[in-house]
Amino acid sequence: ETGVTQTPRHLVMGMTNKKSLKCEQHLGHNAMYWYKQSAKKPLELMFVYSLEERVENNSVPSRFSPECPNSSHLFLHLHTLQPEDSALYLCASSQERGGKYNEQFFGPGTRLTVL
Amino acid sequence: GDSVTQMEGPVTLSEEAFLTINCTYTATGYPSLFWYVQYPGEGLQLLLKATKADDKGSNKGFEATYRKETTSFHLEKGSVQVSDSAVYFCALSPNTGRRALTFGSGTRLQVQP
Repeated sequence: ETGVTQTPRHLVMGMTNKKSLKCEQHLGHNAMYWYKQSAKKPLELMFVYSLEERVENNSVPSRFSPECPNSSHLFLHLHTLQPEDSALYLCASSQERGGKYNEQFFGPGTRLTVL
Repeated sequence: GDSVTQMEGPVTLSEEAFLTINCTYTATGYPSLFWYVQYPGEGLQLLLKATKADDKGSNKGFEATYRKETTSFHLEKGSVQVSDSAVYFCALSPNTGRRALTFGSGTRLQVQP
């Protein structure tokens, strides 16, 4: 595997289900991100992990719960979602050095549909 | 806060036509600027970038110049191909503080043969 991978690619779930999205980066990066892409809206940053630090977008509902067990893996745990949460969820990674920005590499996304 | 404004699409062109997609930004300091492309069913791919004023990013025939005086980073290509059909996103990142990208809303390009 190379780059950034995401599983599953497609997910359909009911509002009472619990599911998790998985992201894995094979680039040796030290920062990972979750973005939400909804139709006709700009990409929205949800969460950032950089080493031990988590930066959370304050507008993210608690029904989304991220987990970053190590620098290569990132999860997004989902529970009691709403139909408006249906979207493409994108994972990205980058290499941060001394606060200097480096470009982010994206995975193919998970297309989530909440019924 | 930071923001990126792109021209609304879709932009429909014939093959070999000249392409311009406008992008302007609002940010403090000197952000880095990017163009990403998203092909159908795929994630975003970095197309080009510029990290300081007057830099020109280029890749695959696409170019964009970082214009500090007009806070713009317009994407251009001299001759588009059908395979360029995709959604193009302009984005910025501050060089200090929060490290994530701020994206524009995307511009869909459709190239007809």
